[in-house]
Amino acid sequence: RKEVEQDPGPFNVPEGATVAFNCTYSNSASQSFFWYRQDCRKEPKLLMSVYSSGNEDGRFTAQLNRASQYISLLIRDSKLSDSATYLCVVLDSNYQLIWGAGTKLIIKP
Amino acid sequence: GAVVSQHPSRVICKSGTSVKIECRSLDFQATTMFWYRQFPKQSLMLMATSNEGSKATYEQGVEKDKFLINHASLTLSTLTVTSAHPEDSSFYICSANRGRRLAGLDTQYFGPGTRLTVL
Repeated sequence: RKEVEQDPGPFNVPEGATVAFNCTYSNSASQSFFWYRQDCRKEPKLLMSVYSSGNEDGRFTAQLNRASQYISLLIRDSKLSDSATYLCVVLDSNYQLIWGAGTKLIIKP
Repeated sequence: GAVVSQHPSRVICKSGTSVKIECRSLDFQATTMFWYRQFPKQSLMLMATSNEGSKATYEQGVEKDKFLINHASLTLSTLTVTSAHPEDSSFYICSANRGRRLAGLDTQYFGPGTRLTVL
């Protein structure tokens, strides 16, 4: 089992819709969680950290479920510019960053 | 925000040649830099952690004699892929840690990546 797993997608979503995807992690002692966005052939960019209480940044909401060991990302009112690959990153108990393979999102007009 | 540059952004080379990739933190000093490799549709894989003034720490399975890392100053780390082969073709990304709190991750800044193609 991979340490961090994501559905690779692609998720094809019409513009304006709400889309959500999850990321599961295997190490219950993982410390911190993040969502990154990566455009094709570009470096990843930090989208948001994921806090235990959940957090929201504009149209983006991140949630952490420690009991079930997953984090989620919800995007509301999706825009064409949201098309990208969303990477889940987990900081494990050894302070190592473990990256998911990403979920590809395609927003269609 | 902080800026990290990489050079070159793209390189195509023949099998057997060596390729050097530079990673620079432009407006801050980075005691620690990281080198990642990403194959298509796969996650970023940490190759090594580069510490200024000391030897790099390589991840399991990464050949230190093949991927030479030099962190000669607080703003520059280089990765040299020696005797490159087609299977080394990948997207190489560096990141630089600005502060001590890696756990915050918001102190880690990524370079734009270098796409290496070995023919």
